[in-house]
Amino acid sequence: AQSVSQHNHHVILSEAASLELGCNYSYGGTVNLFWYVQYPGQHLQLLLKYFSGDPLVKGIKGFEAEFIKSKFSFNLRKPSVQWSDTAEYFCAVSGGYGNKLVFGAGTILRVKS
Amino acid sequence: GAVVSQHPSRVICKSGTSVKIECRSLDFQATTMFWYRQFPKQSLMLMATSNEGSKATYEQGVEKDKFLINHASLTLSTLTVTSAHPEDSSFYICSAITSGGAQYEQYFGPGTRLTVT
Repeated sequence: AQSVSQHNHHVILSEAASLELGCNYSYGGTVNLFWYVQYPGQHLQLLLKYFSGDPLVKGIKGFEAEFIKSKFSFNLRKPSVQWSDTAEYFCAVSGGYGNKLVFGAGTILRVKS
Repeated sequence: GAVVSQHPSRVICKSGTSVKIECRSLDFQATTMFWYRQFPKQSLMLMATSNEGSKATYEQGVEKDKFLINHASLTLSTLTVTSAHPEDSSFYICSAITSGGAQYEQYFGPGTRLTVT
């Protein structure tokens, strides 16, 4: 069965600090990888996705993620966070039949202004 | 972009009653919709996959008689929590896949907060 592990449940950063959120998954086959963001009071939005090709994926709002197959990882990065990046971030994996998404537990990011 | 709505956004009901939650794709046709449940400080857990015109596929451990899913049209799926109990209180989220779009992208609704008293 697929599983997704996010390393930190809470992260607090100051504005302009660099961000890296860890995500590791467990699945033996071909995977599609996603990062979703949920801003306070809003619905889940897709930040970026990886299906194939260049393992460094760029998403919206300056976010990027790198797929490292040998490490089963898909870490999310942003060089300089803003207060508006305060949100909860979910890593998710989809593989196999039916497009089921398996989510990690989420990381709550709080950016101090 | 693809927009998914849910109604109601919040609902409070008494124990033993049933509650229906609607999930609509507003600007696209969705042959497949998913229902998730999110517990506080936990991740989204897939409850069931809903395909238009056919029976929903439930995940292991989800009671199909308790969580009734109907996907009657290409733009509407409903989740009915029957004989609700306080332990059913949770945040329910639906998502949809566009029929003509990327197969693996799900668009999420804003969620419905259910509180059973």
